[in-house]
Amino acid sequence: AQKVTQAQTEISVVEKEDVTLDCVYETRDTTYYLFWYKQPPSGELVFLIRRNSFDEQNEISGRYSWNFQKSTSSFNFTITASQVVDSAVYFCALSGNTGKLIFGQGTTLQVKP
Amino acid sequence: DVKVTQSSRYLVKRTGEKVFLECVQDMDHENMFWYRQDPGLGLRLIYFSYDVKMKEKGDIPEGYSVSREKKERFSLILESASTNQTSMYLCASTSRGGRVESYEQYFGPGTRLTVT
Repeated sequence: AQKVTQAQTEISVVEKEDVTLDCVYETRDTTYYLFWYKQPPSGELVFLIRRNSFDEQNEISGRYSWNFQKSTSSFNFTITASQVVDSAVYFCALSGNTGKLIFGQGTTLQVKP
Repeated sequence: DVKVTQSSRYLVKRTGEKVFLECVQDMDHENMFWYRQDPGLGLRLIYFSYDVKMKEKGDIPEGYSVSREKKERFSLILESASTNQTSMYLCASTSRGGRVESYEQYFGPGTRLTVT
């Protein structure tokens, strides 16, 4: 069975702090994709990143970075120098050979000024 | 840019009513999905469709049905709304090309449905 676990329900930080959102997944598929989405207060999910199971290179995009480790089945997301605009719910998701997305429970990030 | 629109942002219905939630995408995507989002549970897949008139059950299809008569439109139907269907409903679409699981899904703004 496929499963995504985001153990952190809520995280609160002060602006300019670094914060890491954890994501652990389970799958028996050899080929799969991992995603992160952001859901701001407006409600619409915004795609942030996709990684496939054969590419374990870490990725950096501005203040965002992602650490994919197959050995620990983790795909963690770090925001450097957080800003108030980063406040949102963040979802990690997994897609395997069924084509369906399996989402984690979501982590609510609050960045205080 | 891909645009996915949903017919209502907020909806209040009474128990037993038939409810239609409409979703339209403008990028000629083959695949469309309906999810519900509840606190602590994340997003759960209700139904999805890979083509016109095709539909497949997701993880929680009970109490719901869908219709896809046109490629751009995917409707979610609550035949007889119940209070436990109060939730946020999100529609998504994605293109098919290549491996379907590789393409990110584009989401609509959501419909917050309250059943009283």
